[in-house]
Amino acid sequence: QITLKESGPTLVKPTQTLTLTCTFSGFSLSTSGVGVGWIRQPPGKALEWLALIYWNDDKRYSPSLKSRLTITKDTSKNQVVLTMTNMDPVDTATYYCAHEGGGYDNWFDPWGQGTLVTVSS
Amino acid sequence: DIQMTQSPSSLSASVGDRVTITCRASQSISSYLNWYQQKPGKAPKLLIYAASSLQSGVPSRFSGSGSGTDFTLTISSLQPEDFATYYCQQSYSTFVTFGQGTKLEIK
Repeated sequence: QITLKESGPTLVKPTQTLTLTCTFSGFSLSTSGVGVGWIRQPPGKALEWLALIYWNDDKRYSPSLKSRLTITKDTSKNQVVLTMTNMDPVDTATYYCAHEGGGYDNWFDPWGQGTLVTVSS
Repeated sequence: DIQMTQSPSSLSASVGDRVTITCRASQSISSYLNWYQQKPGKAPKLLIYAASSLQSGVPSRFSGSGSGTDFTLTISSLQPEDFATYYCQQSYSTFVTFGQGTKLEIK
């Protein structure tokens, strides 16, 4: 059974850097074809894809946020870390990590429960 | 970016109704289209991948069709637990994009 869980601060100040960790079980990011993605959802709004990392350390970023995002993996800890710099109140959202379908299929299943991050001074 | 447009944005229906939600891509995406269901306060759940493949464990009343730019999600007979928001997502491009969502409400 695959499970994922997001962790990180619930409140960050404007201009600060957000660091979120996705801890997963039931699969390994050293296995060919495996990926983990990050998706966010502002309150009451639609889903927005942020970044993906694959077993071979290939990384993909949303073009609109690329300059602010970094995704890394720690295979030994079964973790994926997303950092987002220069946080702004518009970045207030629930942040999800998700298992990527496999082999660059780029569908997401399952998802973590999500973590709400509020950006406010 | 490939833009995904869903219609309608909201929909009222009754238990037992047949419901269809449409998703249109701004360019051809072949069959690289996925559908998710999201209930309030919960993470999205994958229903359909590759336009028409039913994810394991998803009831057979859900079906997907389409290719190119036009896609549909159909629920053959609405059940009380189906009232939720539905999102399409393209996985043709390196840069994944989602539709704006369709909220399915009880009439």
